[in-house]
Amino acid sequence: GENVEQHPSTLSVQEGDSAVIKCTYSDSASNYFPWYKQELGKGPQLIIDIRSNVGEKKDQRIAVTLNKTAKHFSLHITETQPEDSAVYFCAAKGTGGSYIPTFGRGTSLIVHP
Amino acid sequence: GAGVSQSPRYKVAKRGQDVALRCDPISGHVSLFWYQQALGQGPEFLTYFQNEAQLDKSGLPSDRFFAERPEGSVSTLKIQRTQQEDSAVYLCASSLAGNTEAFFGQGTRLTVV
Repeated sequence: GENVEQHPSTLSVQEGDSAVIKCTYSDSASNYFPWYKQELGKGPQLIIDIRSNVGEKKDQRIAVTLNKTAKHFSLHITETQPEDSAVYFCAAKGTGGSYIPTFGRGTSLIVHP
Repeated sequence: GAGVSQSPRYKVAKRGQDVALRCDPISGHVSLFWYQQALGQGPEFLTYFQNEAQLDKSGLPSDRFFAERPEGSVSTLKIQRTQQEDSAVYLCASSLAGNTEAFFGQGTRLTVV
């Protein structure tokens, strides 16, 4: 089955700095890669996703890049704000029999004002 | 409502007690997933439904765990003879189809004492 590794487990930045979270996956058949933000006491919320037919996707201050050859993808947050503080999860999902999103272990992002 | 709804939000059970957790997916969503999230960890897959059919239950940790979705909408996760290691947040997610984004509910925090 799919295995997703996520790094770092914690990330502390100053407000205004950029934050980068990296993930690798094992199943080359995976073709959909969502990122979720989870705030305390809440369920994960989808913030951005990318499919395997593109290498980069951007939405305001967040962007995701995908390298299918190396089987890794990254989340980039620019101009971080205190409200970006949360736990971020990457996930990978395939087609056919691999329709189940497999999650990384999460990155706790702390943005200091 | 517009989102995935889970109830109860919190459940305290005595060891050995049976519990039932409910998930109301987004209307029209075919796929429904249950995940278990231990403290400080990413969501771990439990089981997957497509309409009323349980297509994958490989993540259920023991035969004390049972899930159903009899009419292809509301789903119930039942845990019999709860143990302390069952303490976790149980997340439900739904998606329109097999390979589209999954939307999560807020989860049910189960504490077994």
